[in-house]
Amino acid sequence: DAGITQSPRHKVTETGTPVTLRCHQTENHRYMYWYRQDPGHGLRLIHYSYGVKDTDKGEVSDGYSVSRSKTEDFLLTLESATSSQTSVYFCATVDDRSSYNEQFFGPGTRLTVL
Amino acid sequence: QQQVKQSPQSLIVQKGGISIINCAYENTAFDYFPWYQQFPGKGPALLIAIRPDVSEKKEGRFTISFNKSAKQFSLHIMDSQPGDSATYFCAANSGGSNYKLTFGKGTLLTVNP
Repeated sequence: DAGITQSPRHKVTETGTPVTLRCHQTENHRYMYWYRQDPGHGLRLIHYSYGVKDTDKGEVSDGYSVSRSKTEDFLLTLESATSSQTSVYFCATVDDRSSYNEQFFGPGTRLTVL
Repeated sequence: QQQVKQSPQSLIVQKGGISIINCAYENTAFDYFPWYQQFPGKGPALLIAIRPDVSEKKEGRFTISFNKSAKQFSLHIMDSQPGDSATYFCAANSGGSNYKLTFGKGTLLTVNP
């Protein structure tokens, strides 16, 4: 457990509404990631951050944006939620100061878009 | 394009048996191959990992076998227990890629008592 919390843990929203998911970490890890997990697709990278204000796209970034104004917080925003974005979202961090570069995952946020 | 292919999708094993999950990769730049274990309602957690300079790594009942020439690696769970029932993901990354992981699609393991 790398001290990663995600909020909210569950959310139901309607198509077209904006949604922001928050990831908070207490380990001062430089790298942070947002994944989505869907049956039959495994974990797919949405966006990642390699430092404050430094972010880049993953393989499924369309419809999502991110921001990182502080080391400990990484926000994922769905500007206008669609039903295809119903999923479980996981945040992860990497401690690049260790030789193993293990990714630590948060508990996830279950998002339902009606 | 799926860069890490994982099989089988699901696996049922009797208690005490051996569970084997296989993965194949395409990108020869990959140099780190972790396996993650995920229980229902939880985030994935690192189980065991290997780098391609060794062909096998063992930690307790869990072993990774790695075949660099075939671009394949597998997870073996010896003496499988009902508590091992979970979803297992293989993954791969290359060191110069901001530690991004490419995951397989997962294997749901059920160990019957």
